[in-house]
Amino acid sequence: EAGVTQFPSHSVIEKGQTVTLRCDPISGHDNLYWYRRVMGKEIKFLLHFVKESKQDESGMPNNRFLAERTGGTYSTLKVQPAELEDSGVYFCASSQVPRTGELFFGEGSRLTVL
Amino acid sequence: QKEVEQDPGPLSVPEGAIVSLNCTYSNSAFQYFMWYRQYSRKGPELLMYTYSSGNKEDGRFTAQVDKSSKYISLFIRDSQPSDSATYLCAMTDNFNKFYFGSGTKLNVKP
Repeated sequence: EAGVTQFPSHSVIEKGQTVTLRCDPISGHDNLYWYRRVMGKEIKFLLHFVKESKQDESGMPNNRFLAERTGGTYSTLKVQPAELEDSGVYFCASSQVPRTGELFFGEGSRLTVL
Repeated sequence: QKEVEQDPGPLSVPEGAIVSLNCTYSNSAFQYFMWYRQYSRKGPELLMYTYSSGNKEDGRFTAQVDKSSKYISLFIRDSQPSDSATYLCAMTDNFNKFYFGSGTKLNVKP
């Protein structure tokens, strides 16, 4: 069974540009989460989808970030325009049954904003 | 104040040592506690899951939760070089939002 896949693995962009990160969850997993890790800090929650609906987007930093999950399958996270402080590793995780405590993480998309 | 505090380490121990990793938290609503292990350039993977206070053992790993002190621990017995990784505690009250610690980097020397 394929795991959670994220693309791109690394993106280097200039301040003011746009970047779109993609996450393909494990097939059949209704729950999809986006997290972000800024250098040296904890992995912080961004938002949670259940199927195509946003269950909780309280962790989204500001309106420069837009997450979508059309059709309840893959998800995209767009940052527009990117700022220096957006640099970090963006993790996507999916879960069939979150009550097990098990989130299946992708390897992350590293974003560097210059 | 951070929701979850975790000593970043690094922690370096000889092979065979007992390792103790800890987290404290501030939100008394947290009921579900997890430990994840993350190898370099990989995503975190679930290692242990416990509900409320108490102990849980799985092989060489023991997770402890003390809700009265808002303190959780992970013990690794007979540590192996393959245990070298970053260990992240995580917790939640509703499985909607999981809160992670910053991770403790562990190095087990052969």
